[in-house]
Amino acid sequence: EAQVTQNPRYLITVTGKKLTVTCSQNMNHEYMSWYRQDPGLGLRQIYYSMNVEVTDKGDVPEGYKVSRKEKRNFPLILESPSPNQTSLYFCASNLGYGRDTGELFFGEGSRLTVL
Amino acid sequence: QKEVEQDPGPLSVPEGAIVSLNCTYSNSAFQYFMWYRQYSRKGPELLMYTYSSGNKEDGRFTAQVDKSSKYISLFIRDSQPSDSATYLCALRYAGNMLTFGGGTRLMVKP
Repeated sequence: EAQVTQNPRYLITVTGKKLTVTCSQNMNHEYMSWYRQDPGLGLRQIYYSMNVEVTDKGDVPEGYKVSRKEKRNFPLILESPSPNQTSLYFCASNLGYGRDTGELFFGEGSRLTVL
Repeated sequence: QKEVEQDPGPLSVPEGAIVSLNCTYSNSAFQYFMWYRQYSRKGPELLMYTYSSGNKEDGRFTAQVDKSSKYISLFIRDSQPSDSATYLCALRYAGNMLTFGGGTRLMVKP
């Protein structure tokens, strides 16, 4: 089954404790992206990756890091989480820029709470 | 001003009603128009996709694009409780990725 898998789905942590949210897709997609979703603010892009070893900042990258060492994986790293990073996070993938309709396939989401 | 504006709702309707969901946008370069549906505790899923002005129908759903007014709509006929979700419009232009509206929460009451 074609899917984007995120882990963990739910996480409560404390300020400053490094954490990683994993994302994996099995569709051989070139493009992957991370979003956060907050009430009243909609989906905001954090980072994206056009392909292996190619990453770039989205609209709200502060406080986050990413890496793309393999095509299927795109982990989101919070080096020193703060309460304003409490949010619902989505990983998404796409075949590639200009390659199709531009449809994004989303994971199920990871709800993060930083105390 | 946001590039894409969408009323957050919530919009509450009785079962069987016709629902109209709308987005306005400011960038005339947008060429591709999509509607995503997001159920509670789930990721968004593509519902409808259109490229040009006009209407596109898929079962109970109709997507309408008016490029001259920079206005897109999603109509749901004979709405069902299972249609209760948040609906996000998403737009893009060539060589770029999607820009999302904030989403409208719809509740269809039995």
